[in-house]
Amino acid sequence: KAGVTQTPRYLIKTRGQQVTLSCSPISGHRSVSWYQQTPGQGLQFLFEYFSETQRNKGNFPGRFSGRQFSNSRSEMNVSTLELGDSALYLCASSLQLNTEAFFGQGTRLTVV
Amino acid sequence: DQQVKQNSPSLSVQEGRISILNCDYTNSMFDYFLWYKKYPAEGPTFLISISSIKDKNEDGRFTVFLNKSAKHLSLHIVPSQPGDSAVYFCAATNAGGTSYGKLTFGQGTILTVHP
Repeated sequence: KAGVTQTPRYLIKTRGQQVTLSCSPISGHRSVSWYQQTPGQGLQFLFEYFSETQRNKGNFPGRFSGRQFSNSRSEMNVSTLELGDSALYLCASSLQLNTEAFFGQGTRLTVV
Repeated sequence: DQQVKQNSPSLSVQEGRISILNCDYTNSMFDYFLWYKKYPAEGPTFLISISSIKDKNEDGRFTVFLNKSAKHLSLHIVPSQPGDSAVYFCAATNAGGTSYGKLTFGQGTILTVHP
């Protein structure tokens, strides 16, 4: 069974640009969550989607947004990139009523 | 406001001995707790979980203990192996509410197991 797939693995962007990250959950998983990992703040929850609806949102500015498609694949977008957005962005998927989240390998975003 | 805390940034253990990783939480709404293991440049890997209705859960070499009154949980690894060397994260959620998809993580503990 394939795991959670995130693309791209690495990305370098310039301040002010926008970026879109993609996540394909484990087959059959309907919930997708996104997390940001930085050395200073650790792993922080961004948002969670289930059946194309955002169910939970973390304490991030509106520049961070996401969506989920009917096949449960998800994308997150960050607009007007700042240097502080440099981080490892992790996607996790879980079954409908299962709280064990399975993570992808992440996308390493570097903003220069 | 750090609702999940892992106060030990690092832990060093000899191979074959027991590793004990600790985690404290402050939010009494948390009712489901998980431990993840993470290698550099990879996503966290789920290890073991425990519901607040239990005080212990075992899976092979891994055992998690929950003390609700103290808002404290611990992960025991017995016996420890060099391959266990990684960063261990404690996470918590309110599975009984509407936010069970939202995990709150501790800062992590770097475990090093020496041969």
